[in-house]
Amino acid sequence: AQSVTQPDIHITVSEGASLELRCNYSYGATPYLFWYVQSPGQGLQLLLKYFSGDTLVQGIKGFEAEFKRSQSSFNLRKPSVHWSDAAEYFCAALKGGTSYGKLTFGQGTILTVHP
Amino acid sequence: NAGVMQNPRHLVRRRGQEARLRCSPMKGHSHVYWYRQLPEEGLKFMVYLQKENIIDESGMPKERFSAEFPKEGPSILRIQQVVRGDSAAYFCASSPGTGAYGYTFGSGTRLTVV
Repeated sequence: AQSVTQPDIHITVSEGASLELRCNYSYGATPYLFWYVQSPGQGLQLLLKYFSGDTLVQGIKGFEAEFKRSQSSFNLRKPSVHWSDAAEYFCAALKGGTSYGKLTFGQGTILTVHP
Repeated sequence: NAGVMQNPRHLVRRRGQEARLRCSPMKGHSHVYWYRQLPEEGLKFMVYLQKENIIDESGMPKERFSAEFPKEGPSILRIQQVVRGDSAAYFCASSPGTGAYGYTFGSGTRLTVV
């Protein structure tokens, strides 16, 4: 079955520290991959997406993600975290080449930022 | 250019009542998706609709839940005879075409069943 796994339920970092959120997928072929952020009580905002090509993807708010086919991973990174980055982050996948979009989400990672 | 509009933002229903959740997609978007987020869980796909057509409802519970996207007006997710387990955040997303175009999510409707 197609699935997306975020191994870390909760991560705490200090402001200014670097961040890496893990995401692994299980699909028959390389899916389209997304990272979303959700602030409390809000909807989801797209940070970045990967369809093909360059495996290092740049997104908004200084985030980037690297697609690694050999590890079936799409980890999200940020070199220096700001207090405003505290939120829940979701990795999602869409079957590549599909005719429509049925996103499969990971369980989410809650990021806490200490001053 | 307004984003995906969902209303109400919060909805409280007593057990056995009906809940109607509305979603107006972004202008120019003809594809609508509904997702449910239960407490402590990620989002789960429920249904995918285009105007006047249900394309995929594989994530919808078999009973009490229905969805529509009429030719005119918003998409509606209807839950009949709500139970406590229906309490969740329901998100709508829209896209201009099929999956690879990307999605825009609304802010969600938080349903509480008392």
